[in-house]
Amino acid sequence: DIQMTQSPSSLSASVGDRVSITCRASQSISIHLNWYQHAPGKAPKILIYAASVLQTGVPSRFSGGGSGTDFTLTISRLQPEDFGTYYCQQSHSSPLTFGQGTRLEI
Amino acid sequence: QVTLKESGPVLVKPTETLTLTCTVSGFSLNITKFGVTWIRQPPGKALEWLAHIFSNDEKSYSTSLKSRVTISKDVSRGQVVLTMANMGPVDTGTYYCARMTAGYCSGGRCRMHWFDPWGPGTLVTVSS
Repeated sequence: DIQMTQSPSSLSASVGDRVSITCRASQSISIHLNWYQHAPGKAPKILIYAASVLQTGVPSRFSGGGSGTDFTLTISRLQPEDFGTYYCQQSHSSPLTFGQGTRLEI
Repeated sequence: QVTLKESGPVLVKPTETLTLTCTVSGFSLNITKFGVTWIRQPPGKALEWLAHIFSNDEKSYSTSLKSRVTISKDVSRGQVVLTMANMGPVDTGTYYCARMTAGYCSGGRCRMHWFDPWGPGTLVTVSS
């Protein structure tokens, strides 16, 4: 199985800050990497697929990059509604796997 | 509008088999680029992918759960069913289904899927 490791596990930031979350795959997954936001009490929501493609309707302050084994999710100007847990997920090969999550506290 | 909704028991006894149904609308289960996946989240823990099924009936399972989990679909009813045998307290959590969309398809095989949208989830508690 491909292991996905996120860092940090948690972080605290303020409104307006720029934050980045990294995700590392245990083997190369090309750009087969997705990012999700999971707000408390809600279903997870896709933010970015194929490493850098912003899903329709997602604010442009979210961006993704990377390929191979190392990926980054960046939120350029944090808003209060951005708190929650962020997950990366590889879609390169089955079994599909998630990272352990990064909890973002505003 | 594409929607998915999970249904099933809220309480299951240890050793019982869990059966969950995902009812979809707004898309067909026999369209090549779409599939349906199941994911769960134990309380306070991370998301865990369980299984998926594609339009051609290709299935895949979590390595750690493959001996206990079965996924199937009924295209005419727009439903995907997940069964998990021999439930235990560690299986308590919120179970989600989600549509899988392929980034590209070639030669009848699709790749680079993402999960969107998700159902609201259903909380399953395993307790005697």
